This record gives sequence, C-alpha cells and structure tokens, in this order.
Amino acid sequence: KNQVEQSPQSLIILEGKNCTLQCNYTVSPFSNLRWYKQDTGRGPVSLTIMTFSENTKSNGRYTATLDADTKQSSLHITASQLSDSASYICVLNNAGNNRKLIWGLGTSLAVNP
Amino acid sequence: ETGVTQTPRHLVMGMTNKKSLKCEQHLGHNAMYWYKQSAKKPLELMFVYSLEERVENNSVPSRFSPECPNSSHLFLHLHTLQPEDSALYLCASSQDSTPSTDTQYFGPGTRLTVL
Repeated sequence: KNQVEQSPQSLIILEGKNCTLQCNYTVSPFSNLRWYKQDTGRGPVSLTIMTFSENTKSNGRYTATLDADTKQSSLHITASQLSDSASYICVLNNAGNNRKLIWGLGTSLAVNP
Repeated sequence: ETGVTQTPRHLVMGMTNKKSLKCEQHLGHNAMYWYKQSAKKPLELMFVYSLEERVENNSVPSRFSPECPNSSHLFLHLHTLQPEDSALYLCASSQDSTPSTDTQYFGPGTRLTVL
C-alpha cells in the first residue's frame, strides 16, 4: 500500500466550477507536503509547499490545506479554467530520511468548456 | 519554462541499441536528479547528483548509467534495455540536494519506448 493515497483517481468538471482533490498519507514524521501540477507531456511544477505545522497555503486560485491529526491534505481549485486540466500530485518529504520524497499517483483533472 | 531542458523529447529504441538522454539546467543549481515515471506508478527516483558527485543510486539496474560532467549537465546512458523500461524519464534540479527545503524544478521529460 502506497504511503500517499490520492482521490479521486480522475475528475471531470465544467469550466468555472470549483473542485477539491484529496491526499491521505501515512508518512510520519514528515517535514513538508507539496502539491505539484503536471501538464500532459510536461514535468511536474510545484504549486504549494506546507510544513507539518501549517494548515493552509494559497497560490492564486489554488489553496492547499493540511490536517495533521487526520493525516489528510486537500487541494482546492477555485473558478477552474481549461488550463487547469492536468495531473495533480501530492508529495511528502519523509523527515526520517532527509532525501526521500514519497510521491502519490496523482489525480487527473479534466476541465471541459 | 522551468529552466531545465531535456533532449530528445521522444525516443524509440530496440533492446540492443545504445542511446543517451541529456538534461541541462540553466538555474545555477547544485543538485540534479533522474526520475522514472511509469503509468499507474508514482515517480521513482533513480539517481541524485550533488556538485557532480553521485549521492544516491536507488537500486537501478546497470543498464542505466548516469553521468554528470558538470553541475549544469546530466546524462543517462541506456544500453540493452527491456520493454518494461518504457516510461517518461524526468530530469530535475534543485539548489541543493535537500528535499526538505529545496523545490525541484523538472524538465519536460523524454518519452522512451523500448521495442
């Protein structure tokens, strides 16, 4: 079982709508949690980074939240645009091994006109 | 653009061929990485270089051979690959090789198909 589980696996929404992507993890302890966006045919691009003590971090229309008690993070996208169509990947840095990043499988988001 | 370029973008090779993937970063970073991204799997870290020295090798088969001639360039030499090696190979760089603080900047990847 992967230490970082993302849901849903894929999602289709209409342009202008909001959506929330989930990341459940068992990695403990960890030093930070990142959300990456990966467009088709491109490499991942960092959207947000939160330390274990932070609850929320925003980057434009993207807002990430972290609940360390329930070991859950979410990425909320507001007023979606066609360019938001991509894979969104949750990544945790395992504090027990400073070099080790634990990657989720990602959620594939399609924003339709 | 992220400041990390990769060539070629697509590569098709037979199992007996020898080819090389190239990565170049224009960010002045000290660390560079090779990742493998396969369908239905999380990103797999293959190699980490810090200041041109290999600091991590995650049990990668010897048919993959990395080379880091300087802090801006990274190569992945391929020989006698298997069909299961078909994947997207991503290069990344970061200021230093400390994932707890450093953001990794990825190139666009090389889509490799092994026939």
